[in-house]
Amino acid sequence: GQQLNQSPQSMFIQEGEDVSMNCTSSSIFNTWLWYKQEPGEGPVLLIALYKAGELTSNGRLTAQFGITRKDSFLNISASIPSDVGIYFCGGTSYGKLTFGQGTILTVHP
Amino acid sequence: DAGITQSPRYKITETGRQVTLMCHQTWSHSYMFWYRQDLGHGLRLIYYSAAADITDKGEVPDGYVVSRSKTENFPLTLESATRSQTSVYFCASNPSSGSPGGTDTQYFGPGTRLTVL
Repeated sequence: GQQLNQSPQSMFIQEGEDVSMNCTSSSIFNTWLWYKQEPGEGPVLLIALYKAGELTSNGRLTAQFGITRKDSFLNISASIPSDVGIYFCGGTSYGKLTFGQGTILTVHP
Repeated sequence: DAGITQSPRYKITETGRQVTLMCHQTWSHSYMFWYRQDLGHGLRLIYYSAAADITDKGEVPDGYVVSRSKTENFPLTLESATRSQTSVYFCASNPSSGSPGGTDTQYFGPGTRLTVL
């Protein structure tokens, strides 16, 4: 089946630093999604990407849909403590959503 | 308030018992999904439904049963719970799926934490 490789698995950064994480796959996806999950909550959609090459921003978050449709990255600029959580990438193909394993982000004040 | 809700939020049960987890969405989304989330496995799809009375298996369907008699509800039943089904279960919905250029995104409920003793 389709698999997504998300990296890094975890990040420990200082407040104010920029963050970058990415997902790659051997399969092509029609949509790339980025979610954030906080303890005790469900994943919350951050950014959705629908076209190859698309670059989309949401506040301090920027994500891109790779040209090959097999990868995507998420950048967070000037991190703050409330950015803490698990970030998941997701790729959809004909309605089926496949998730990456998640990136655990810790931000030290 | 509109959205997707799950109940109960927490459940403890015993091996062999039947358990039903409820999911309700107020958006009239066509597609609904059930996932389980476990350490080391991320989110795995159990079952999904494209519309009322249409369901299909996901990646890990064994031991689970679903039904969808109404668009807004998608209950998940564990017919005879096992310890390996201890997990956090998430329901999600999607307004449309598979349509080119469509909003192929999923919105998640808050989750149900199930413990099977």
